[in-house]
Amino acid sequence: AQSVAQPEDQVNVAEGNPLTVKCTYSVSGNPYLFWYVQYPNRGLQFLLKYITGDNLVKGSYGFEAEFNKSQTSFHLKKPSALVSDSALYFCAVRVFNNAGNMLTFGGGTRLMVKP
Amino acid sequence: DGGITQSPKYLFRKEGQNVTLSCEQNLNHDAMYWYRQDPGQGLRLIYYSQIVNDFQKGDIAEGYSVSREKKESFPLTVTSAQKNPTAFYLCASQIDGRSENYEQYFGPGTRLTVT
Repeated sequence: AQSVAQPEDQVNVAEGNPLTVKCTYSVSGNPYLFWYVQYPNRGLQFLLKYITGDNLVKGSYGFEAEFNKSQTSFHLKKPSALVSDSALYFCAVRVFNNAGNMLTFGGGTRLMVKP
Repeated sequence: DGGITQSPKYLFRKEGQNVTLSCEQNLNHDAMYWYRQDPGQGLRLIYYSQIVNDFQKGDIAEGYSVSREKKESFPLTVTSAQKNPTAFYLCASQIDGRSENYEQYFGPGTRLTVT
């Protein structure tokens, strides 16, 4: 089965420090990976995606993610965290079937950035 | 959230009543999706539609119904058969439901409370 896992329910980091939110995937074939952010009572906002090419993907709001094929990971990173980065983060993988394709989401990781 | 509207933002219903959640997009996207989000959980796919007049069940379709009569609209009906309808419902769209390259765009969500 194709899936993603986010092993941490919550990540705490001090403002100004680097942050990492972890994601591992399990797919057959080439992985198509996505990161989204959700603020309270809002929809999801797209941050970045890996389709092919460079393993380091740059996205919105200073976020980047590193695709690692050998470790089947796609961790989200930011060099210097802001309090405003505090939100719920979702990793997703593209899943294919006869009717087309869809996204399967991880359980989410809550990021708390303390001043 | 731009381009996809969901109404209303908050919805209250009595148990046993059917309720329809609205989702409209002006992005000219072919594919549309409905997800359910429960506290502390990720997103689960209810129904999706790759093209007008066609839709498929997702992982948790029981107790829900949809229609896709127009490209821009994908309403979701929560029927009385849905055992635990209280949740946050998110609608999304994607430019092309068959290509692997594109991300989904999300609406702001509707929080449904059934008592």
